[in-house]
Amino acid sequence: KAGVTQTPRYLIKTRGQQVTLSCSPISGHRSVSWYQQTPGQGLQFLFEYFSETQRNKGNFPGRFSGRQFSNSRSEMNVSTLELGDSALYLCASSLAPGTSSDEQFFGPGTRLTVL
Amino acid sequence: SQQGEEDPQALSIQEGENATMNCSYKTSINNLQWYRQNSGRGLVHLILIRSNEREKHSGRLRVTLDTSKKSSSLLITASRAADTASYFCAAYTNAGKSTFGDGTTLTVKP
Repeated sequence: KAGVTQTPRYLIKTRGQQVTLSCSPISGHRSVSWYQQTPGQGLQFLFEYFSETQRNKGNFPGRFSGRQFSNSRSEMNVSTLELGDSALYLCASSLAPGTSSDEQFFGPGTRLTVL
Repeated sequence: SQQGEEDPQALSIQEGENATMNCSYKTSINNLQWYRQNSGRGLVHLILIRSNEREKHSGRLRVTLDTSKKSSSLLITASRAADTASYFCAAYTNAGKSTFGDGTTLTVKP
């Protein structure tokens, strides 16, 4: 079974631009969560989607948004990029949250650099 | 301080020795999960322990959970150089929100 895939793996943008990152969960997984990892703030939860609905949201500004499609693939968007948005963005999938099958499996991440 | 803090921040041991990492959290949890990360790559899931469990084993890994102290520990026995990585704990609430600690950087010297 293929793991969680994220595209692109690396991205360079300039301040003010917007970016869209994509995540394909493990086949059969319906929950997708996004995280931001930076040296200064560590791993921070962005949001979680389940069955195309945002189930949880972390403490990030509205410039960070996401969505989930009917095939459980998810995208996150960051608008008006700032230098501080440079980070490794990780996506994780699980079968269903809050059940006995809620182990999360992470993708390799997208390394975003904002210049 | 943040929920899901690891202790120590860095640990250096010789191959064959055991490594113990601790994690503390602040609120009630549904489960706690441990992950390994190699050099800025994705996280590898190691083990999940539920709030009603006290101990769990997986190969050379042993995880304990003390909900009264809101703490967990990860023990890696007979460590190998390939175990060199950063280890994170993540506390998951019943609402499904997760909070990760800052991680413990483990170096295993051959």
